[in-house]
Amino acid sequence: GAGVSQSPSNKVTEKGKDVELRCDPISGHTALYWYRQRLGQGLEFLIYFQGNSAPDKSGLPSDRFSAERTGESVSTLTIQRTQQEDSAVYLCASSTYLNTEAFFGQGTRLTVV
Amino acid sequence: AQTVTQSQPEMSVQEAETVTLSCTYDTSESDYYLFWYKQPPSRQMILVIRQEAYKQQNATENRFSVNFQKAAKSFSLKISDSQLGDAAMYFCAYRSEQGGSEKLVFGKGTKLTVNP
Repeated sequence: GAGVSQSPSNKVTEKGKDVELRCDPISGHTALYWYRQRLGQGLEFLIYFQGNSAPDKSGLPSDRFSAERTGESVSTLTIQRTQQEDSAVYLCASSTYLNTEAFFGQGTRLTVV
Repeated sequence: AQTVTQSQPEMSVQEAETVTLSCTYDTSESDYYLFWYKQPPSRQMILVIRQEAYKQQNATENRFSVNFQKAAKSFSLKISDSQLGDAAMYFCAYRSEQGGSEKLVFGKGTKLTVNP
């Protein structure tokens, strides 16, 4: 596709359930970022993948959060045992290594009830 | 760790007027990039303008320009001839150029309202 694609667009889940969010980056983009944006707030860094290097996981808020990426393709962000505080928009972005511009998807709005 | 501060949670401007959004950052690095992103209600983050720290000349993109003061670690965005479509959240962001930590660090944002 032409841009970064995220699915689902919206997800409502019950507290305690696991959820998996998907990000399809722009083809050829080696860098991939996940951010969390709570209502009315800024973007909170979660995790950064760059090619085959070890990911920067320094932003993951707890061990309930994990993310995987195979090579330079799709990434999944998994939240286990969801809590109401996990409700937010989760944004994914990708970029090439040499290009500083990060292109964002439209996000997944997660609501935990 | 780098931090980005946007001290204006909200700003408003009259259509066709000029507005300046403030951003300061904290870093010990000499090479980095700075960005302004726009986020309309659609949630889509859109790059407005970027600045390389090694360039002294301020970046300009049509009606958007920056005032980059490296020594003061300040990076403000000026929007000239404001239009209704400029209404959005604006985020200032910093990206390190040190290997292994090229993540983008964002400020908390400034909500811009454009009054007709």
